[in-house]
Amino acid sequence: EVQLVESGGGVVQPGGSLRLSCAASGFKFDDYSIHWVRQAPGQGPEWLALITWDSSFMDYADSVKGRFTISRDNRKNSLFLQMNSLRADDTAFYFCAKESKYGWQGMIEGLDYWGQGTLVTVSS
Amino acid sequence: DMQLTQSPSFLSASVGDAVTITCRASQVINNDLAWYQQKPGKAPKLLIYASSILQSGVPSRFRGSGSVTEFTLTISNVQPEDFATYYCQQVKSNPYNFGPGTKLEIK
Repeated sequence: EVQLVESGGGVVQPGGSLRLSCAASGFKFDDYSIHWVRQAPGQGPEWLALITWDSSFMDYADSVKGRFTISRDNRKNSLFLQMNSLRADDTAFYFCAKESKYGWQGMIEGLDYWGQGTLVTVSS
Repeated sequence: DMQLTQSPSFLSASVGDAVTITCRASQVINNDLAWYQQKPGKAPKLLIYASSILQSGVPSRFRGSGSVTEFTLTISNVQPEDFATYYCQQVKSNPYNFGPGTKLEIK
């Protein structure tokens, strides 16, 4: 069974940093790109970042580019999101999600498995 | 950035009805569109990718169609478990944004 489990959320002050983790199991982790998506309470999802299976390519939404860094450790089946310079509008549930398309051919297809999310609250 | 609009924002239906949700892209995205279902407190669930391909395990009453800039998700014979919010997502280019959602409610 495919499982993605996020951790690392919490309350942080504006300007602070937080590192989220995502532990994957039930599939060959190093065969797939993985994404981070967030969703503020009552709002729709917002795609944030993706990293290819071999970490050769990372892509970011403009809203987080330069502040957030996606990375992965294939030996530990783990994904990370380092979040710096956090702002109040970064408050949301953060999900990691598996890309449905095998490998990387320069495009994505859809996010077929998601974690349960971890809540990040940016507040003084 | 590319914009996605969905209509309607809210939809009321009875069990057994057929419903259609429309997603429009502000730029040509060919068939690079996915549909998701989300229930309260849960992560989104992939229903359809490449505009019309049913994700494994999704009931055949869900059907996606469309290309270029206009897409539809049709649910035939709506079941109680289908009452949820539905989002489209364009997967053509960064940012891979989602539509604003359509909430399907019980009439």
